[in-house]
Amino acid sequence: GAVVSQHPSWVICKSGTSVKIECRSLDFQATTMFWYRQFPKQSLMLMATSNEGSKATYEQGVEKDKFLINHASLTLSTLTVTSAHPEDSSFYICSAPGRVSGETQYFGPGTRLLVL
Amino acid sequence: QKEVEQDPGPLSVPEGAIVSLNCTYSNSAFQYFMWYRQYSRKGPELLMYTYSSGNKEDGRFTAQVDKSSKYISLFIRDSQPSDSATYLCAMEPGNTGKLIFGQGTTLQVKP
Repeated sequence: GAVVSQHPSWVICKSGTSVKIECRSLDFQATTMFWYRQFPKQSLMLMATSNEGSKATYEQGVEKDKFLINHASLTLSTLTVTSAHPEDSSFYICSAPGRVSGETQYFGPGTRLLVL
Repeated sequence: QKEVEQDPGPLSVPEGAIVSLNCTYSNSAFQYFMWYRQYSRKGPELLMYTYSSGNKEDGRFTAQVDKSSKYISLFIRDSQPSDSATYLCAMEPGNTGKLIFGQGTTLQVKP
């Protein structure tokens, strides 16, 4: 199956700082990627759709100015959590569609963010 | 009411047991149905993917979809301790790429 990587795997930061998370599709191109957030013992919730060459689209209730998404190339999308606060502490996971038409999403290993 | 309902468990079974995991949904627009396995602190791993009613088998795993009842199931035969994980059902309305997840069921298979 398709492989998606994320970096970093975990990050601890102080409140008020910004954190950038990278999502890469390995050996395949992804014009669209998705960002999810997962709180402890809860399911994944879609935050936004990252589109290569255009603006990201955000789900209802997600602050686009707080969660900046940049789809810089066909293999890289970044999520920047700006002015992070403790309530932003969560597990952030990206996904990309499979290489074969009709395949479903393949997920990255996730990035655990802890804001102190 | 959530679009996708899944019993969070936890579910504990002895090794070798048959496990049945289920999800119900309310949105008739869902066309694609998936089961993911997630180990602690890891990203979800795709187990099964189907888009039609009926059964789909892959090794010890069988996915079942009943669109008329808006009900999907995942069966695990001859369960192993390594199957201990959280199992997430997910659904997609059309070919949008946007997945709606169930809450996940935590499974523990005891040796």
